[in-house]
Amino acid sequence: GDQVEQSPSALSLHEGTGSALRCNFTTTMRAVQWFRKNSRGSLINLFYLASGTKENGRLKSAFDSKERYSTLHIRDAQLEDSGTYFCAAERGSGYNKLTFGKGTVLLVSP
Amino acid sequence: AQTIHQWPVAEIKAVGSPLSLGCTIKGKSSPNLYWYWQATGGTLQQLFYSITVGQVESVVQLNLSASRPKDDQFILSTEKLLLSHSGFYLCAWSLDEQYFGPGTRLTVL
Repeated sequence: GDQVEQSPSALSLHEGTGSALRCNFTTTMRAVQWFRKNSRGSLINLFYLASGTKENGRLKSAFDSKERYSTLHIRDAQLEDSGTYFCAAERGSGYNKLTFGKGTVLLVSP
Repeated sequence: AQTIHQWPVAEIKAVGSPLSLGCTIKGKSSPNLYWYWQATGGTLQQLFYSITVGQVESVVQLNLSASRPKDDQFILSTEKLLLSHSGFYLCAWSLDEQYFGPGTRLTVL
C-alpha cells in the first residue's frame, strides 16, 4: 500500500531556533496536508499543497510530487509550538484517501 | 463558515454491546465525508468514505459499518463491539482539503 514515512519521530528545539520535518512518499502523491494535533486529539489544518510552497507566519511547507517528498519548516520556534505534527498525502485515485505519517513530537524548550 | 460536530465526545462500552457514533457537517453542501480511526499509539487510518447520500465505501475492514442517511450526516456503527475497537474516531469532510471534527474517544471494556 501507499506509504508515508515521516521524520524525525521526535524533535527538540530551543526557543528561537528552527528545523524541518520531512515526509517521503513511496509513490507519486497528488497533494499533501500538514496538521497539528490539538489538546483533544483532533487535527488542526496547517497547510494543503498540490505543488510548490506555502508560508504562514513562522511555518513554511513545500511539496515536490515528482521527487516524492514534503517538508514543514519551523523558524523562530516558540514554546507554544510544542505538540505533535502529522503529514498526510493523497494519491488522488478517485477520492481523497489520505495516508498519514506516524507523526513528529516537537518539544520546544526555553 | 463550515462546522463539524461529532457525538458523543467519549464513550465507555462493554464488549458485545452496540455502538453508534455520529457526525454532522453544517455550512457545506454535498461534501465528501470520511471516518478515521486511531488505536492508542497507532497511526490514523481511514475506515470509510462517502461521496453522496446513501453511498458509503469501506476502506478498512474492522467489523464496523457506516451510513450516510442525509447529505450532512455520517454515522458509524456496529452491533457488537470488540476490544480492538477502542481508540479515537475522527470524522472529516472535504471538497479538496480535508477538515476534521473534534473526535470521539471510545473505550471498550
